[in-house]
Amino acid sequence: GAVVSQHPSWVICKSGTSVKIECRSLDFQATTMFWYRQFPKKSLMLMATSNEGSKATYEQGVEKDKFLINHASLTLSTLTVTSAHPEDSSFYICSAPGQLREHGYTFGSGTRLTVV
Amino acid sequence: AQTVTQSQPEMSVQEAETVTLSCTYDTSESDYYLFWYKQPPSRQMILVIRQEAYKQQNATENRFSVNFQKAAKSFSLKISDSQLGDAAMYFCAYRRAITGTASKLTFGTGTRLQVTL
Repeated sequence: GAVVSQHPSWVICKSGTSVKIECRSLDFQATTMFWYRQFPKKSLMLMATSNEGSKATYEQGVEKDKFLINHASLTLSTLTVTSAHPEDSSFYICSAPGQLREHGYTFGSGTRLTVV
Repeated sequence: AQTVTQSQPEMSVQEAETVTLSCTYDTSESDYYLFWYKQPPSRQMILVIRQEAYKQQNATENRFSVNFQKAAKSFSLKISDSQLGDAAMYFCAYRRAITGTASKLTFGTGTRLQVTL
């Protein structure tokens, strides 16, 4: 089945630094990747949609300059949290559509970001 | 805009018993998909079951089944013969059926299921 590999699984960084999270589709081509943020005991909130070879589409209220998304190839999408602050600490999850239209989407294992 | 509502923040069921998790949604679309995802403590999202809106027959996957009421915009999940491994957060999700492109998933707020001995 379709697998999305997400790295790192957890990261701690200092305030003001940048952190890059990668999501790779291992056995299929992901022309679209969805990036979610999840606060503790809360639901998944869509941040942005990345499309291979074009600019990402951000949801309302998400800072484009803080959360940089790049989808340079059919198998790799990255989310970079720039100038991180403690309030950016969260769980970030990527997701890609399955190969069949009616299927649900495949999720990465998530990245727990802690900014100190 | 589409919305998904899960009115039960927490549910509890005894092992081997049956539990039903509720979900309602709001949409003006006629063609869409509905899903139930499970998120265990590992936080990996796992697809439990899916339903195509154009299908009247309720989806079933082993111990998991849904009650899909399109007119009422209701999509409940029934877990039979509950097992300890079923303990997790369950999210109901909706997405539009769009030809040629991927549509985003809209999630409910989740129901935390506890399974007791």
